[in-house]
Amino acid sequence: GAVVSQHPSWVICKSGTSVKIECRSLDFQATTMFWYRQFPKQSLMLMATSNEGSKATYEQGVEKDKFLINHASLTLSTLTVTSAHPEDSSFYICSAKISSYNSPLHFGNGTRLTVT
Amino acid sequence: AQTVTQSQPEMSVQEAETVTLSCTYDTSESDYYLFWYKQPPSRQMILVIRQEAYKQQNATENRFSVNFQKAAKSFSLKISDSQLGDAAMYFCAYPPNFGNEKLTFGTGTRLTIIP
Repeated sequence: GAVVSQHPSWVICKSGTSVKIECRSLDFQATTMFWYRQFPKQSLMLMATSNEGSKATYEQGVEKDKFLINHASLTLSTLTVTSAHPEDSSFYICSAKISSYNSPLHFGNGTRLTVT
Repeated sequence: AQTVTQSQPEMSVQEAETVTLSCTYDTSESDYYLFWYKQPPSRQMILVIRQEAYKQQNATENRFSVNFQKAAKSFSLKISDSQLGDAAMYFCAYPPNFGNEKLTFGTGTRLTIIP
């Protein structure tokens, strides 16, 4: 089945530094990928839609300069948390969809970010 | 904005018994998909079942089935013969319009399986 790989699985960084999270579709091409954020014991909240070759579309309330998204190829999207602060600590999950109309979303394993 | 409501924050069921998780949603669309996802402790999101709104027949995947009531905008998940591996958070999800992959998730139901 379709596999979405997310890296790293967990990362600890110091406040003020930037962290890059990668989301790869391993065996299919994904023109669109989605980035979600999940706080402990809460649901997934969509942050942005990543479009290959164009700018990402951010959900209301999500700072685009804070969360930089790059979708440079059909198999890779990256989320960079810039100047991270402790409140950015969260679980970040990406998802991707095979281009065919009826296929479901496939999710990565997620990245746990801890900012100290 | 569309909303997805899961009114049961937690549920528990004896192993081998049946449990139903509820979900309601709000939409003005006539054609759409509805999804149930499972998130075990590993936090991997796993698609459990999908329902297409224009289909009258309730979707079924092995021990998992849905009770889809389109007029009532209700989409419950029934798990039969519950197994220990079914313990997880279950999220109902809905895209804003037909064919749109951008999902809105409910708040989730934590399912505990009692041995």
